Amino acid sequence: KAGVTQTPRYLIKTRGQQVTLSCSPISGHRSVSWYQQTPGQGLQFLFEYFSETQRNKGNFPGRFSGRQFSNSRSEMNVSTLELGDSALYLCASSTSTGATMGYTFGSGTRLTVV
Amino acid sequence: AQSVAQPEDQVNVAEGNPLTVKCTYSVSGNPYLFWYVQYPNRGLQFLLKYITGDNLVKGSYGFEAEFNKSQTSFHLKKPSALVSDSALYFCAVRDRDYGQNFVFGPGTRLSVLP
Repeated sequence: KAGVTQTPRYLIKTRGQQVTLSCSPISGHRSVSWYQQTPGQGLQFLFEYFSETQRNKGNFPGRFSGRQFSNSRSEMNVSTLELGDSALYLCASSTSTGATMGYTFGSGTRLTVV
Repeated sequence: AQSVAQPEDQVNVAEGNPLTVKCTYSVSGNPYLFWYVQYPNRGLQFLLKYITGDNLVKGSYGFEAEFNKSQTSFHLKKPSALVSDSALYFCAVRDRDYGQNFVFGPGTRLSVLP
């Protein structure tokens, strides 16, 4: 069974640009969550989608947005990139909203903003 | 509000010795507790979880954790450490009654010395 697939693995963008990251969850998983991981802040929750609806949102500015498609694939978008957005972005999927099953994580997208 | 503390940034242990990685949590209701491990440039991998029932939980790769409600702790343990256990370990909590997303601790880097 294929795992959680995140594309691309690595990305270099210039300050002010926008970026879209993609996540394909495990087949049958309808919940997708996104986290930002940085050395200073650790793992911070961005948002969670379930059946194309945003269920929860973390404390990030409106430049960070996401969506989920009918096949459960999810994308997150960051507009007007700042140097501080450089991070590993992790996607995690679960069968429900993850309360008891926990997550299966992808390998992440390493975003570098220069 | 939910929070997780991992009081040690770094834990060093000799191969073959027992290891403990500490985690304490704070939730308003009852907790779901998880441990994840992260290897370099990879996503997080699920190790074990406490949902309900027996306070001693056994997980992958010989790891186990004990839920202690009175001390609000969920320490990760292994009787005999391997060099290959060297990685970054994250404790996570979700409030069963009031929580909407997982909150992760800051991580503990485990180094097992040969």
